[in-house]
Amino acid sequence: QKEVEQDPGPLSVPEGAIVSLNCTYSNSAFQYFMWYRQYSRKGPELLMYTYSSGNKEDGRFTAQVDKSSKYISLFIRDSQPSDSATYLCAMSATNAGNMLTFGGGTRLMVKP
Amino acid sequence: GAVVSQHPSRVICKSGTSVKIECRSLDFQATTMFWYRQFPKQSLMLMATSNEGSKATYEQGVEKDKFLINHASLTLSTLTVTSAHPEDSSFYICSARDGLGSSTDTQYFGPGTRLTVL
Repeated sequence: QKEVEQDPGPLSVPEGAIVSLNCTYSNSAFQYFMWYRQYSRKGPELLMYTYSSGNKEDGRFTAQVDKSSKYISLFIRDSQPSDSATYLCAMSATNAGNMLTFGGGTRLMVKP
Repeated sequence: GAVVSQHPSRVICKSGTSVKIECRSLDFQATTMFWYRQFPKQSLMLMATSNEGSKATYEQGVEKDKFLINHASLTLSTLTVTSAHPEDSSFYICSARDGLGSSTDTQYFGPGTRLTVL
């Protein structure tokens, strides 16, 4: 079993839809949780960074962490075709600047 | 946000040759940089952690004599793939840490280098 599980998709939604992306993990030591967006043949771009449990909102993006369930989510409101990319969750037990454990990524396609 | 560059973005080489990839933090100093490789439709796998002025720490299964890492300055780390073979063809991505190990540190990723070994 992988330490971090993520549905690979692809997830196809119409423009304007609310998108829910999720990861589950097994290592209870993880305390720092990140979401990265990766366009094809590009490096990952940091979208959201949360510590411990709770919610964090930034524009159209909301990150949720439920440590009791070992489950994290990223919500995208009013999705746009430009949101089409692969979304990677990443986690760390120490801090986001140290070794990260990545999920496999979910490919999202937002259709106009 | 912080910017990390990589050069070259793409490289095609013959089997047996060596290839050097540069990773630079453009607007911040990075005492620690990381090197990842990514196969098609797969996630990033950490290869090694590079600390400025010291030897890199390699992940299990990564050959340190094949993947030479040098972190000679606070803004530059290099990965050299020695005697490259077709199975080394992959997308290599670096990241740089923008702090000194505090809880607010984060990593910024470079755009990646696609290596194709013929």
